[in-house]
This record gives sequence, C-alpha cells and structure tokens, in this order.
Amino acid sequence: DIQMTQSPSSLSASVGDRVTITCRASQGISNYLAWYQQTPGKVPKLLIYAASTLQSGVPSRFSGSGSGTDFTLAISSLQPEDVATYYCQKYNSAPLTFGGGTKVEIK
Amino acid sequence: EVQLLESGGGLVQPGGSLRLSCAASGFTFSSYAMSWVRQAPGKGLEWVSLISGSAYNAYYADSVKGRFTISRDNSKNTLYLQMNSLRAEDTAIYYCAKAKGYDSSGYYAEVFDYWGQGTLVTVSS
Repeated sequence: DIQMTQSPSSLSASVGDRVTITCRASQGISNYLAWYQQTPGKVPKLLIYAASTLQSGVPSRFSGSGSGTDFTLAISSLQPEDVATYYCQKYNSAPLTFGGGTKVEIK
Repeated sequence: EVQLLESGGGLVQPGGSLRLSCAASGFTFSSYAMSWVRQAPGKGLEWVSLISGSAYNAYYADSVKGRFTISRDNSKNTLYLQMNSLRAEDTAIYYCAKAKGYDSSGYYAEVFDYWGQGTLVTVSS
C-alpha cells in the first residue's frame, strides 16, 4: 500500500507568515491528493482536492500544488483561525490513506 | 443542509461487537459514496471503509478487513458499520463522511466534503 508522509509534524509561525506543509506519497498518485484542516475540538474540513482545487468557501490564502509523489499546502498569510492540524489524503484508489498530520501553531 | 448523525458508540469488551449507524439528510443519499473515518484519542485520522452509492463496491483498511462490514440502506438514508472482534486499538471516535462526488467541472473526487460529529467507541475490559 502507498504510504503518505507529512512534514514537518508541527510548526510554529507568526501571524502574517507564509507557511508550507509537505506531503510525500511512497508511489505516484497523479493529482489524487486532498488536504483537510481540523481545528481543535472540531471535525475535519475539506480544504483542497485534486492537489490544487480549492473547495468552495475556503479562503484564497490556502493553496495546493504538486503531482506524482510530492505535494505542498501553503498558507500565504497565517491567521489566528488557521491554528489547526492539517492532513493530506490520497484518493487514487483504496486504501484512502491519510498522512500523519501537521500541527500549526502561532508563535 | 447536509446533516450526518452517527449513533451506536459506547463501551464494549475486547472481542465484542458493535454496530454504528449514520443517519443522513439534506442530499440524495443513494447518489454518493460514504465512508467511515476514525480518530484514536489524541491521534491522527485513519480511513476505515468506503461504500459506493449503490452499495455494489466496498473497501476496507487492512487494519479492519475481515472484522468490520460497511453497509447502507438507501431507503432509510442510513450508513452502517458492523464491528466484530473488537480490539483495544479500535478505540476511537468514528466519523461518518460523505464523498464529494462530481464537482461543477465534472471532476469526480472521492474526498470527504461533509462529516458527522462522530461517535466514541471504547474497547476495554
């Protein structure tokens, strides 16, 4: 099965900073990659699918890129409400594996 | 408004069984694949199982294959997860999630655009 590895596992940045999170697949998955945000105590929220397509209602400061095995989630200007754990997920075929998560905090 | 309401969680002994339900509303249930995703306390998300809209296809994580069975009743707009031979490592919040399906450009995405609030399953003696 394809493994999904996220880095870093956690990061701390200042409000207004650009933040990037990486997700690597152990085999190529084309662009079948989604990103989710889970704020503390809440259910996961879909941010991006098809590696770079923003889900309706998601702020434009979020963006995704990549194809094949290497993917990136970027937050162009970190806001306090972005404090959350972010997960990538592959969906080219079952199993629909999630990455281990990246916890984003405000410095 | 899409709503997903899980039920059936609770405390069960190792080796026991439990059936989770997810009542769906606000969309044409039979037109969408549905999934179960779990999250152990303080841990990350783990995909468990997915079933197609027609129930023709079902898929499982290796960790639950042979022990869990996903099913759906489209006449009742309800998704189920039958969990047998439960282990301590199955302890988690279990979320029901709706697959997005086709977007406005015709792209099919088996990603999860709506999630329930979850139901807690605790496996302990």
